[in-house]
Amino acid sequence: DTAVSQTPKYLVTQMGNDKSIKCEQNLGHDTMYWYKQDSKKFLKIMFSYNNKELIINETVPNRFSPKSPDKAHLNLHINSLELGDSAVYFCASSRDTTEAFFGQGTRLTVV
Amino acid sequence: AQKITQTQPGMFVQEKEAVTLDCTYDTSDQSYGLFWYKQPSSGEMIFLIYQGSYDEQNATEGRYSLNFQKARKSANLVISASQLGDSAMYFCAMRAMNTGFQKLVFGTGTRLLVSP
Repeated sequence: DTAVSQTPKYLVTQMGNDKSIKCEQNLGHDTMYWYKQDSKKFLKIMFSYNNKELIINETVPNRFSPKSPDKAHLNLHINSLELGDSAVYFCASSRDTTEAFFGQGTRLTVV
Repeated sequence: AQKITQTQPGMFVQEKEAVTLDCTYDTSDQSYGLFWYKQPSSGEMIFLIYQGSYDEQNATEGRYSLNFQKARKSANLVISASQLGDSAMYFCAMRAMNTGFQKLVFGTGTRLLVSP
């Protein structure tokens, strides 16, 4: 039973396309996150949701839109993909201030 | 604002030896948590150990221990008896605890290579 699962694991797409990454957690956590890991392995928060409500939105282009249909799910939709969007995207979840558990990551390659 | 600094881009250690990975942090928060994560070549992020700023004892989890020196604002990870499977990227992270829903802020990571 995977605690935080995200799909797909790999995503290769052309510039200008729209794509989605799905994330689900079965840990009963009330906070979920999207992180982006760049080519230098640096991890940066993009969004955070608590009980389906957006609470952190770090200077992320409007082309990125998170959606949380319920506490256990946080999806990421990306419009008009650009080359610079190529990265590994991690979904994570936690209870408030405890450690975050991460999904296996989605490697997005924009060509 | 919080900041995490990991000054060692890469570290080498021989199997069965101990190794220390450095982490210093900067924050104006009185209450915060420090975390270490491991990222093997397969890519997943694995939580290793946690230290709260008010914890008096250094955290330990199996072969991992966190050398917490609050006055120096350092939270070094010590891995004892290194194993080949410890070869990975290691990230130090912190989160403010005084209010809820705070983000984890990560350092740039240290790549550890364990040799036979």
